[in-house]
Amino acid sequence: NAGVTQTPKFQVLKTGQSMTLQCAQDMNHNSMYWYRQDPGMGLRLIYYSASEGTTDKGEVPNGYNVSRLNKREFSLRLESAAPSQTSVYFCAARTSGRGELFFGEGSRLTVL
Amino acid sequence: AQSVTQPDIHITVSEGASLELRCNYSYGATPYLFWYVQSPGQGLQLLLKYFSGDTLVQGIKGFEAEFKRSQSSFNLRKPSVHWSDAAEYFCAVPGGSGTYKYIFGTGTRLKVLA
Repeated sequence: NAGVTQTPKFQVLKTGQSMTLQCAQDMNHNSMYWYRQDPGMGLRLIYYSASEGTTDKGEVPNGYNVSRLNKREFSLRLESAAPSQTSVYFCAARTSGRGELFFGEGSRLTVL
Repeated sequence: AQSVTQPDIHITVSEGASLELRCNYSYGATPYLFWYVQSPGQGLQLLLKYFSGDTLVQGIKGFEAEFKRSQSSFNLRKPSVHWSDAAEYFCAVPGGSGTYKYIFGTGTRLKVLA
């Protein structure tokens, strides 16, 4: 059982390039999340999707777009990457109600 | 606004010693709280969670946490630390009433001395 799968695991971009981080879950959970992790700052929420077809901004949404393609998939797009977006990105899915988050293994992005 | 504070950035303990990691929260209603662990290069794994009821909750890997409403704390403890417990630990709380935008603390990195 794969749980939450993120691709790619590593990516290097040049400033101004675009890319999409993919996330898929096989747990049939309604809610999905994108967080970024930076040293000393913990995890900060970028976007949240409560269900298919809905998305909501988190704490740090600027420079990102998301698509909840279907119940399984939630992608994060950087239209014009900036060095400040160098980070480790985590996708997560959540069980219903007061459930915990299940995380993917992360995608390390470096923007030069 | 809801928030989570982990006062200790780094903690070093000897193998076999006891451990307590601190977590303080700010939340308008009765919170539900989580502790996660992150091993190097890995995603986050749930250690334990508190929703209601017994204020002392047991988790995986021998960890426990105690919810203290009067102190707005949810500290993580382990009686005897193993070298494999070296990792980063995060406390988390929902973002506010009716929202599931979970907020994470800044993390505490645990180092275990042999």
